[in-house]
Amino acid sequence: AQTVTQSQPEMSVQEAETVTLSCTYDTSENNYYLFWYKQPPSRQMILVIRQEAYKQQNATENRFSVNFQKAAKSFSLKISDSQLGDTAMYFCAFMKAGSQGNLIFGKGTKLSVKP
Amino acid sequence: KAGVTQTPRYLIKTRGQQVTLSCSPISGHRSVSWYQQTPGQGLQFLFEYFSETQRNKGNFPGRFSGRQFSNSRSEMNVSTLELGDSALYLCASSSKGASGSLSTDTQYFGPGTRLTVL
Repeated sequence: AQTVTQSQPEMSVQEAETVTLSCTYDTSENNYYLFWYKQPPSRQMILVIRQEAYKQQNATENRFSVNFQKAAKSFSLKISDSQLGDTAMYFCAFMKAGSQGNLIFGKGTKLSVKP
Repeated sequence: KAGVTQTPRYLIKTRGQQVTLSCSPISGHRSVSWYQQTPGQGLQFLFEYFSETQRNKGNFPGRFSGRQFSNSRSEMNVSTLELGDSALYLCASSSKGASGSLSTDTQYFGPGTRLTVL
């Protein structure tokens, strides 16, 4: 069975600074996808970034980038130039390729961006 | 394009009652998944529907059921409610998902239905 671990329950960062959220996962699968979702206080789950395991290049989306280390089963999220609107719970999620639904989520990291 | 919509947004029920939640996916999306979010257990997968067929199911009791209609809208039903069923129920839709395909499309979530069982 796959598991996803986020070891930082809470983090804080000053506005405009950079922060990195950690995620590790355990799987015996070779084809899979990894995601970071953000859930602000409004509770709407929003996709931040997606990474295909077969791609060596790390995904980036504007201020968000990942460090994907397949051998180490690590998938960290870097947020550059943090903004107050980045304050949210961040969830790392795993999905086996071809899986029908069934995203496996970590417990989340609560990020607070301070002015 | 309109996003995933869920109704109602909030619901209060008492133990023993049943409840039906509704989810309308993004236009063109045929796969709908349901998740339960609680402070203790986090986010857990309930089931997934594609073309009116349940293709995958998480580890929940039979009191949790669902269905999907021909227009891809989905409902989930919880019968004989228990206090522990209090949760945020999230629905997500994705555009791909043909059986046998190894491609996985991204799931886009609705705002959720907050269910409180008294």
